[in-house]
Amino acid sequence: GAGVSQSPSNKVTEKGKDVELRCDPISGHTALYWYRQRLGQGLEFLIYFQGNSAPDKSGLPSDRFSAERTGESVSTLTIQRTQQEDSAVYLCASSSGTSWDTIYFGEGSWLTVV
Amino acid sequence: SQQGEEDPQALSIQEGENATMNCSYKTSINNLQWYRQNSGRGLVHLILIRSNEREKHSGRLRVTLDTSKKSSSLLITASRAADTASYFCASRNTGFQKLVFGTGTRLLVSP
Repeated sequence: GAGVSQSPSNKVTEKGKDVELRCDPISGHTALYWYRQRLGQGLEFLIYFQGNSAPDKSGLPSDRFSAERTGESVSTLTIQRTQQEDSAVYLCASSSGTSWDTIYFGEGSWLTVV
Repeated sequence: SQQGEEDPQALSIQEGENATMNCSYKTSINNLQWYRQNSGRGLVHLILIRSNEREKHSGRLRVTLDTSKKSSSLLITASRAADTASYFCASRNTGFQKLVFGTGTRLLVSP
């Protein structure tokens, strides 16, 4: 695709429910990243995929958070038993996979837990 | 925390003036990237500067990098109201793939 695509754009969920956020990277990009941004804050790294393996998942805040990726394509970030502090924009990004390349971001999925 | 810092946190200027934002980071880097964010949603990539580069230009944007001071600056010349946004620097540390973001600068350009 032309850019990184994320869905849903907005999601309101009740505390305790599970949510899935989807990311479609730029075609041909082997690297995929998830970040979280709370209101008025900077971006926090969550997890990085190279292909379908995740060599760096050091930013996942708890075992309620998990992510998977199918080949070099779509990734899903799952948050189980959502809490109010999970409310944030979840941003996905992709790149060609080298250390020198530009990392491109999607528009994000805004999650509100009520 | 590895997170970088930016200053100022907020900057308010008039159209036509120049805006300078500064960024500091903590470890050796491969490159540093600057992004713009409107209304708290997606990030738009502005410029990538490599660790062996000292200055880079793109249109009205000028980025400098001083690896000895672990700092970078973004200059926007002849600012426009449409430049109103948050600006983030993000460092790509040596040996790591992920970007480590600064705290961001909120720029307001008034007509």
